[in-house]
Amino acid sequence: ETGVTQTPRHLVMGMTNKKSLKCEQHLGHNAMYWYKQSAKKPLELMFVYNFKEQTENNSVPSRFSPECPNSSHLFLHLHTLQPEDSALYLCASSQARGGGETQYFGPGTRLLVL
Amino acid sequence: KNEVEQSPQNLTAQEGEFITINCSYSVGISALHWLQQHPGGGIVSLFMLSSGKKKHGRLIATINIQEKHSSLHITASHPRDSAVYICAVSSYQFYFGTGTSLTVIP
Repeated sequence: ETGVTQTPRHLVMGMTNKKSLKCEQHLGHNAMYWYKQSAKKPLELMFVYNFKEQTENNSVPSRFSPECPNSSHLFLHLHTLQPEDSALYLCASSQARGGGETQYFGPGTRLLVL
Repeated sequence: KNEVEQSPQNLTAQEGEFITINCSYSVGISALHWLQQHPGGGIVSLFMLSSGKKKHGRLIATINIQEKHSSLHITASHPRDSAVYICAVSSYQFYFGTGTSLTVIP
């Protein structure tokens, strides 16, 4: 399998639930990203990992917790989310975190928080 | 104000028409990217360019660094081109436009 995969593709959760989103890349890349895409808004960068180290956290609430056990896998752990967190969550990877590089995106997880 | 502005926000075209989507940006960049997002959600990178013009099939992307402007052209548009087209610019940070929703009618 090639490219960037994400599971699950769709997720419905209550505000008291705990769930995790998974991303896997088969491209040999060293940088991985989590983005949030809400309707009519630009993509929002949430977290960046470069060589398994978190390099950026763009003021994301603590109810979102990322984990990067190795360069191929990235998780986003979710707990006590709010309805306004409903969105499409996209994972991406690139060769390295340096600026100007092409990012390869996964298909996204569409999250609905009730 | 967003660092990247796209126009139009929505575009409907008849099959076969020539389409232009515009992107203006206000920050210094090392590259500009055109992305395509189909209704399922996944995003595909179409072009990365830092100067001049690139062509891939029926798609052409141009950039004018001095004017901080880029255009994406689609020649002989087809219903399968229907998607959201997103302009993004990168230096160390990535900045994204809100996208142009294109519908091509048979």
